[in-house]
Amino acid sequence: DAGVIQSPRHEVTEMGQEVTLRCKPISGHNSLFWYRQTMMRGLELLIYFNNNVPIDDSGMPEDRFSAKMPNASFSTLKIQPSEPRDSAVYFCASRNTEAFFGQGTRLTVV
Amino acid sequence: GENVEQHPSTLSVQEGDSAVIKCTYSDSASNYFPWYKQELGKGPQLIIDIRSNVGEKKDQRIAVTLNKTAKHFSLHITETQPEDSAVYFCAAIRGGSYIPTFGRGTSLIVHP
Repeated sequence: DAGVIQSPRHEVTEMGQEVTLRCKPISGHNSLFWYRQTMMRGLELLIYFNNNVPIDDSGMPEDRFSAKMPNASFSTLKIQPSEPRDSAVYFCASRNTEAFFGQGTRLTVV
Repeated sequence: GENVEQHPSTLSVQEGDSAVIKCTYSDSASNYFPWYKQELGKGPQLIIDIRSNVGEKKDQRIAVTLNKTAKHFSLHITETQPEDSAVYFCAAIRGGSYIPTFGRGTSLIVHP
């Protein structure tokens, strides 16, 4: 298995634009997480899916953030409209017994 | 909810020395404790874990210890090498939950 695959690896966008981050979890993993990592706040859990169903989205900072998991092999995190303070590295992780992380998407909003 | 404290935030050692990173957790129902290593530009990678029915676990140069009574667990790296330089995260997972709560991370620097 290639592990958790995230795209794009880097994204630079202008304030106000819509940003979509993508994740392909490891096949057979039934849990998927989106995390945001910044120097100030460390690793923050944004949302957690179990069997494609959002279970806990209390970490989603604002209504500008939304996440979907239409099937077991794909998830998206969307920010609309984006703001400079959204600049961070966004990680997707999937878990069966242990959690495995993707390489992350470095988002820069200018 | 669970709260995980991790110390130190930075740790600088000479090659060959040992390094110890400590974490405490608040939820006595937590029963699974993984450790992750994050190298520059990469995602965190699981390096070792321990479950609450075990007090210590070793894998070559790394070991983890768990004290359930005191609610703390530690990562020990012996004979450190420059390639051990990275940010290390501890995490705790409550029984019946799938959600890891992470510590803030420790930046380990191993000087050649």
